[in-house]
Amino acid sequence: DAEITQSPRHKITETGRQVTLACHQTWNHNNMFWYRQDLGHGLRLIHYSYGVQDTNKGEVSDGYSVSRSNTEDLPLTLESAASSQTSVYFCASSDGAGVSGANVLTFGAGSRLTVL
Amino acid sequence: AQSVTQPDIHITVSEGASLELRCNYSYGATPYLFWYVQSPGQGLQLLLKYFSGDTLVQGIKGFEAEFKRSQSSFNLRKPSVHWSDAAEYFCAVGSNDYKLSFGAGTTVTVRA
Repeated sequence: DAEITQSPRHKITETGRQVTLACHQTWNHNNMFWYRQDLGHGLRLIHYSYGVQDTNKGEVSDGYSVSRSNTEDLPLTLESAASSQTSVYFCASSDGAGVSGANVLTFGAGSRLTVL
Repeated sequence: AQSVTQPDIHITVSEGASLELRCNYSYGATPYLFWYVQSPGQGLQLLLKYFSGDTLVQGIKGFEAEFKRSQSSFNLRKPSVHWSDAAEYFCAVGSNDYKLSFGAGTTVTVRA
């Protein structure tokens, strides 16, 4: 079965360290998204990609970067982790075929990041 | 830009009772509307979606939602709640650029 896998599921790091969260999907979806989930804010979009070599900033992109070298993977990198980046991070993907398909997101199980 | 408001942070309901979760959206064009559910420690699962047509949409697990353009609302309902419906529920609005905007979520507690 196709799936979307995030790793690690839990990570503790220190302020200032670089951290990379992996996202791998086998749906062959063109569109991929990274969201962060915080109490009282729901999910906020960090970065997104419509295909290989395409990346775009979302509403809370400061301190984060992504790269898309193939269809399956969209790793999220925190260049220098800050305590404000303690959160649960969700990767999602959608089919690029038409507005209806492209708007239906499939989510990974999430990665909980703690920055001390 | 689109936005979503979920006025209720937390709702407690008795098992077997009906449930209604409120959602109001802001979007200039015809919206694409969604309800997702998140069980503890899990990712989000799509409950139902509205793109066009019949304004009453049916979803999985016995949920339904009604789109009311005049009220900019897309409220979620279930006639009889089960203990397994305890979760967090998110309303979202999509657009032609495929980005979804989510509300802050409503946590549902089911009491026996």
